[in-house]
Amino acid sequence: AQSVTQPDIHITVSEGASLELRCNYSYGATPYLFWYVQSPGQGLQLLLKYFSGDTLVQGIKGFEAEFKRSQSSFNLRKPSVHWSDAAEYVCAVGLKAAGNKLTFGGGTRVLVKP
Amino acid sequence: GAGVSQTPSNKVTEKGKYVELRCDPISGHTALYWYRQSLGQGPEFLIYFQGTGAADDSGLPNDRFFAVRPEGSVSTLKIQRTERGDSAVYLCASSSQPAGVTGTEAFFGQGTRLTVV
Repeated sequence: AQSVTQPDIHITVSEGASLELRCNYSYGATPYLFWYVQSPGQGLQLLLKYFSGDTLVQGIKGFEAEFKRSQSSFNLRKPSVHWSDAAEYVCAVGLKAAGNKLTFGGGTRVLVKP
Repeated sequence: GAGVSQTPSNKVTEKGKYVELRCDPISGHTALYWYRQSLGQGPEFLIYFQGTGAADDSGLPNDRFFAVRPEGSVSTLKIQRTERGDSAVYLCASSSQPAGVTGTEAFFGQGTRLTVV
């Protein structure tokens, strides 16, 4: 079955340290890939997206993600985390064969300690 | 408007009651989506509108759920005979083109937190 997996439910990172969030998908073709951030009381905000071309994608707030076809992964990274990065991060995919909807992973909650 | 607006932000209702959740998309966006996010999970697709018509309602869990978009702008998600299991955050999103197919960004509202007691 088609699915999006975020293996880490919670991650705690020290402020200033690097962060990597994992996202794996299970689809027969290359989907469109998205990372969203969700803060308490806020809607989902798009961080970055991959359609085609360069597999390293730059986003807002200093985030980047790399698409690896061989691993069916689209991991999100940030070199140095700020306290304001504490939030829920959700990976999503869109696939033409699946219609017009996005399929989301379960999310990873990031806690930032001083 | 400037963003996707959802009302109410919170709704508490008794089991068995009828509720309506409203979504006002970004002006000019033809595509509108409803998702449901249960506690500790990612959003799950419910229904997609292109203009006034429901192009894909495969995510609606059962016939107690219904959504309309009569003029191709505001949409209302309607839930009949609510059950405790319907408690979740209901998210609405809009985009200028179909998001999943074209990769166009979908803009999300802040959601309506529905609690069925």
